[in-house]
Amino acid sequence: DSGVTQTPKHLITATGQRVTLRCSPRSGDLSVYWYQQSLDQGLQFLIQYYNGEERAKGNILERFSAQQFPDLHSELNLSSLELGDSALYFCASSGGGLLSGNTIYFGEGSWLTVV
Amino acid sequence: DAKTTQPPSMDCAEGRAANLPCNHSTISGNEYVYWYRQIHSQGPQYIIHGLKNNETNEMASLIITEDRKSSTLILPHATLRDTAVYYCIVRVYGGSQGNLIFGKGTKLSVKP
Repeated sequence: DSGVTQTPKHLITATGQRVTLRCSPRSGDLSVYWYQQSLDQGLQFLIQYYNGEERAKGNILERFSAQQFPDLHSELNLSSLELGDSALYFCASSGGGLLSGNTIYFGEGSWLTVV
Repeated sequence: DAKTTQPPSMDCAEGRAANLPCNHSTISGNEYVYWYRQIHSQGPQYIIHGLKNNETNEMASLIITEDRKSSTLILPHATLRDTAVYYCIVRVYGGSQGNLIFGKGTKLSVKP
């Protein structure tokens, strides 16, 4: 158990819909990362937040957005869903501080199926 | 893009050591070498990381060449449960930076 909690574990929704994936980082971790893994693309970095602020952006579509709340949990919002958005979405967290250790730990992922 | 090169697949006999190579010839002085693995569709699991010295923990050993242009992950006694995709990643350590950029990794198959 990495200590990173993601909900829901599985989600099936229709094209055009909007979903929210939730992530609770490890206790004390300030950074949250989101990754997407589809069959043909491997693990793709989407976005990173550090203590509530966006810190780095990867291959995140404009239809997708994320935020990190004051209690450090994060949400990834996916809208106008397309069939190609079906994938595993991973959240990860790290301490973000030089002394606190900065190894990134991953949750078990949220399976999204768009039909 | 990933800054590392790994063989796409390797086989290893159960109980033998698995040696997984990684090339990272453009690594910068402030970048560490990290290894993760992903078993089936589970979340990537952290294994080990290092800067320039060899490192060992309860899971594996990491051998980094003196010029830091390549490294080897060693699983000393591979079991069937070590069958996974192994990712070698270079990453800046510390502070709020340094997300992980995954390549295709090495698919390790441990056979009885």
